[in-house]
Amino acid sequence: QVQLQESGPGLVKPSQTLSLTCTVSGDSISSGGYFWSWLRQHSIKGLEWIGYIYHRGNTYFNPSLKSRLTISGDTSKNQFSLKLNSVTAADTALYYCARMTTVTEGLYFDYWGQGTLVTVSS
Amino acid sequence: QAVLTQPPSVSAAPGQKVTITCSGSSSNIGNNYVSWYQQLPGTAPKLLIYDNNKRPSGIPDRFSGSKSGTSGTLVITGLLTGDEADYYCGTWDSSLSAALFGGGTKVTVL
Repeated sequence: QVQLQESGPGLVKPSQTLSLTCTVSGDSISSGGYFWSWLRQHSIKGLEWIGYIYHRGNTYFNPSLKSRLTISGDTSKNQFSLKLNSVTAADTALYYCARMTTVTEGLYFDYWGQGTLVTVSS
Repeated sequence: QAVLTQPPSVSAAPGQKVTITCSGSSSNIGNNYVSWYQQLPGTAPKLLIYDNNKRPSGIPDRFSGSKSGTSGTLVITGLLTGDEADYYCGTWDSSLSAALFGGGTKVTVL
């Protein structure tokens, strides 16, 4: 069974960098066919895809966030991480890591972490 | 505002059926597959339907999906109180080069 677990600070000051890590068990972030993703959900519903990392550390980002984003992976720990810089209150959200799969015909998120709330406030 | 449009809420009595639509465009649903997710209160989204109409192992056949043109549809039959949740559609948008989700539909069992 694939499991993902987010970790990181729950409070970040405006203009600083939000940093989260996702620890994966039951699968390897190096495995082909899967894209290890970050998503977020603001308080008023709304799921937003942030970006993903895949095979050999390649990344792909949501164009709306690309300029502030870094996603990296540590295969030795089977973890991948998110860094979002210059945060504002608009970045306050529940952040999820998830596995996006392309092994069938479409793209979909088949395993999710439980989510971690990040609040941007001074 | 979500690019994929869902009704904010639907409701029905136990045992009845609800239908949730997800309206998009040719750059997303029209040329890509639709997935559906169930989010129970206080929990992470859970995959319900993928590739328009396929169910992952363990998802009951009371949940079914379909796609026609630029819209996807989720149908829940034999409604149970445990089905009360938010439901989201998702797909890829080839123009935006991004994964997209609908705004979510709250299902209430009367």
